[in-house]
Amino acid sequence: KAGVTQTPRYLIKTRGQQVTLSCSPISGHRSVSWYQQTPGQGLQFLFEYFSETQRNKGNFPGRFSGRQFSNSRSEMNVSTLELGDSALYLCASSLVTGTGVNSPLHFGNGTRLTVT
Amino acid sequence: ELKVEQNPLFLSMQEGKNYTIYCNYSTTSDRLYWYRQDPGKSLESLFVLLSNGAVKQEGRLMASLDTKARLSTLHITAAVHDLSATYFCAVDRRSGGSNYKLTFGKGTLLTVNP
Repeated sequence: KAGVTQTPRYLIKTRGQQVTLSCSPISGHRSVSWYQQTPGQGLQFLFEYFSETQRNKGNFPGRFSGRQFSNSRSEMNVSTLELGDSALYLCASSLVTGTGVNSPLHFGNGTRLTVT
Repeated sequence: ELKVEQNPLFLSMQEGKNYTIYCNYSTTSDRLYWYRQDPGKSLESLFVLLSNGAVKQEGRLMASLDTKARLSTLHITAAVHDLSATYFCAVDRRSGGSNYKLTFGKGTLLTVNP
C-alpha cells in the first residue's frame, strides 16, 4: 500500500513569492493534516481537512491556507513568503472510522522549503 | 492551551543499557502518540495509547500512559545502535468527533553508543 506522498521534496523560493505544496494521502484515508517543523519551534499544527472541509486550524497567519479535493488529495499554499517560513512541511493522513478514530497519523516525507 | 513537555531532550546511552523518556502534558487528552524520526526522514508511528493504564510494547520499546498524572513514558530496554533517532510524543485533544490536532513535544534526541 502506497504511503503518503508529498511533492515536491525540495523547494527554494525568494521572499514575497508564493508556493503550493501537494499531498496525496494513503488510499482510503479521508483526513489530511499539515504540520510545520522547524528547529526552533518544533512540530506545529497548521490545519486539518476532512471531506473537503477544514475542521481545525492552528495559530498561523492567513498567508497559510489549504484545501482538500474530492479525492482527498490536499494542497497547502503560502503567500508572500517570509524567511521564517523556511521549514519542513509534513502532511499526514489518517483513517477515520465511523466510531471516530483510533488510527495514528501517517506522515509523508515532507517538503523542505527554503526561503531566501 | 495544551502544552507537552518531554525530558530529557538529549539522551546519550550505551548499548545494552535501559532508559526512560518522559512526556508530561498539561490538560486532559483523548489519546497519546509516540513517533520516531530518523535524520532527514519523516515521522514513523510507534504507539497509540488510548486509555489510562495502557501499555504497549514493540521490541525493545515499551510505552505506558497514566492519564491521572498526565504522564506517558517510553522505556528503552537493552538499547542498540539502531534505536538512535529522535522520539516525539504527541497529544491529541478533541472537542468532539474525530478531528485531529496533535500537539507535539520538542522531541528527545537519542544516541546509542557502542
